[in-house]
Amino acid sequence: AQSVTQPDIHITVSEGASLELRCNYSYGATPYLFWYVQSPGQGLQLLLKYFSGDTLVQGIKGFEAEFKRSQSSFNLRKPSVHWSDAAEYFCAVVLNRDDKIIFGKGTRLHILP
Amino acid sequence: EAGVTQFPSHSVIEKGQTVTLRCDPISGHDNLYWYRRVMGKEIKFLLHFVKESKQDESGMPNNRFLAERTGGTYSTLKVQPAELEDSGVYFCASSRTTGLTEAFFGQGTRLTVV
Repeated sequence: AQSVTQPDIHITVSEGASLELRCNYSYGATPYLFWYVQSPGQGLQLLLKYFSGDTLVQGIKGFEAEFKRSQSSFNLRKPSVHWSDAAEYFCAVVLNRDDKIIFGKGTRLHILP
Repeated sequence: EAGVTQFPSHSVIEKGQTVTLRCDPISGHDNLYWYRRVMGKEIKFLLHFVKESKQDESGMPNNRFLAERTGGTYSTLKVQPAELEDSGVYFCASSRTTGLTEAFFGQGTRLTVV
């Protein structure tokens, strides 16, 4: 079945440690790929997106993501997390430009002081 | 430029009551989308307006949900009567062009039905 999978429901890392959040998709063609973040009391904020071209994309707040076609993955990374990064992160795809967004179930990130 | 604004931010109602959620899109954005996330599940598409017309309402769960966008500006989503399973966070998004590749989301309305 076509889907967006975020295998980790919760992840806990120490402040200053590196972070990688996983995302896999299962669609025939490469979709448009997104990462969103929802901080407590806030709306969904777009961190970054991949449409085509360079497979390593830079986003806001020091985040980056790498598209790997062979693995159907679009993992989100950050070299050093800050306490303010504690939030829920959603991987999402759009199959065609005019289509609706399909979200993963989200990964909640906890930061240890 | 103001972002997408949703009212209220939280709502707690009893089963069987009616609730109306409101979304004010970014000015000039013809496209408006409603999404919702029920507890522990994915954020799922409900419907899409282009101006005042419903372009796609394939995600509306049942006829207890009614969305309107009179005049092509703000939109309302009414749930009548509300059921326990309607609890969740309702998100609105808007975009200037059709397609969610350039959409902006609101902060969501957390609905709790007790």
